Amino acid sequence: EVQLVESGGVVVQPGGSVRLSCAASGFRFDDYTMHWVRQGPGKGLEWVSLMNWDGGTTKYADSVRGRFTISRDSSKKSLYLEMKSLTTEDSALYYCVGASRFWSGYEFWGQGTLVTVST
Amino acid sequence: DIQMTQSPSSLSASVGDRVTITCRASQSVGNFLNWYQRKPGKAPEVLIYSASRLSTGVPSRFSGGGSGTDFTLTINILQAEDFATYFCQQGYSIPWTFGQGTKVEI
Repeated sequence: EVQLVESGGVVVQPGGSVRLSCAASGFRFDDYTMHWVRQGPGKGLEWVSLMNWDGGTTKYADSVRGRFTISRDSSKKSLYLEMKSLTTEDSALYYCVGASRFWSGYEFWGQGTLVTVST
Repeated sequence: DIQMTQSPSSLSASVGDRVTITCRASQSVGNFLNWYQRKPGKAPEVLIYSASRLSTGVPSRFSGGGSGTDFTLTINILQAEDFATYFCQQGYSIPWTFGQGTKVEI
């Protein structure tokens, strides 16, 4: 059974930092480009970042570039998102998502981890 | 970025109804359009990929259509387990973008 389990969600003050983790199982993690997608309160889903299968390619949404860093550890079958200089606009449910190798979309989703940026 | 406009944002329906949700792209996305279902507390699941291809294990009452800028998701003979939120996503160009979602309620 495919599983993506996110962790690390927390309540943090503006300007703070958070590291999200995503543990993958049930599929060949090293074969997949992995993404982070988020949904803020009352907002639609927003793509955040991606890293390809070998870590050689990373991309970021304009809204997070320079503040967020995506990484992965194949030995641990895990994906990470380091988030710095957080603002209230970063408050969201963050999903770890596996992109399909054969079509342009998301084959696997986690249940999400909640980050709240608040004083 | 490609903007995805989904409608309606919510709808009320009954078991046995036929439901159609539409998704419009701000520019052509070819057939790079996918539909997902999300239920409270559960991970979203893909229903339809590449506009009209049914994902493995998804009941045949779900169908997708369209190409270019206009797409539809149809649920024939709505079942109780279909009450959920549905959203579209374009995979034509990064950043992949999403519709705002349609909540299907009883």
